Amino acid sequence: NAGVTQTPKFQVLKTGQSMTLQCAQDMNHEYMSWYRQDPGMGLRLIHYSVGAGITDQGEVPNGYNVSRSTTEDFPLRLLSAAPSQTSVYFCASSYSSGSGGSRDTQYFGPGTRLTVL
Amino acid sequence: SQQGEEDPQALSIQEGENATMNCSYKTSINNLQWYRQNSGRGLVHLILIRSNEREKHSGRLRVTLDTSKKSSSLLITASRAADTASYFCATVSDPNQAGTALIFGKGTTLSVSS
Repeated sequence: NAGVTQTPKFQVLKTGQSMTLQCAQDMNHEYMSWYRQDPGMGLRLIHYSVGAGITDQGEVPNGYNVSRSTTEDFPLRLLSAAPSQTSVYFCASSYSSGSGGSRDTQYFGPGTRLTVL
Repeated sequence: SQQGEEDPQALSIQEGENATMNCSYKTSINNLQWYRQNSGRGLVHLILIRSNEREKHSGRLRVTLDTSKKSSSLLITASRAADTASYFCATVSDPNQAGTALIFGKGTTLSVSS
């Protein structure tokens, strides 16, 4: 299994440009999520999905869109990039979330480092 | 807002010493997880402790959970240089609802020198 894969690894955008960060998993996980990590801020949840066709907002959803058309893929779209979106983005997946057991364990991708000029 | 908060923010020790980091959280939980992040990498799951467990071991890791104090601790015994990383605790935002978000604290940065 490849686990959780993210592309691209690095990206530089100009203010106002749009782009899609790709995330895929091959573990048949129902739950997928996107986080951003900024220095000294830990990980902040952007959006998450509990299954195909179902998405919900996290702590910092503004400026981002998601969709979940398949179990495997969970792309994150930046609609109009701003310098405040300069960050490292992580995608994660798990069998479940909130079940209380080991199926809540999340598996992380390697991250995408995004710079917005 | 963050559910978990780690303490201390940074910890520097010598190889062979034990490292203890703490996590406090705000609401009730059904489990609490600890993750490690090496510099420039994604997070890796270390251990999960359920709300009805008080202590759990995995190799050199020992995790305790005190639900009455809403706190957990992670102890790494006989630290090695390779343990240098950031450590995060995480809990779900609403344990009464399946499929809710996993919320992370800001982490403890551990530096182990040889």
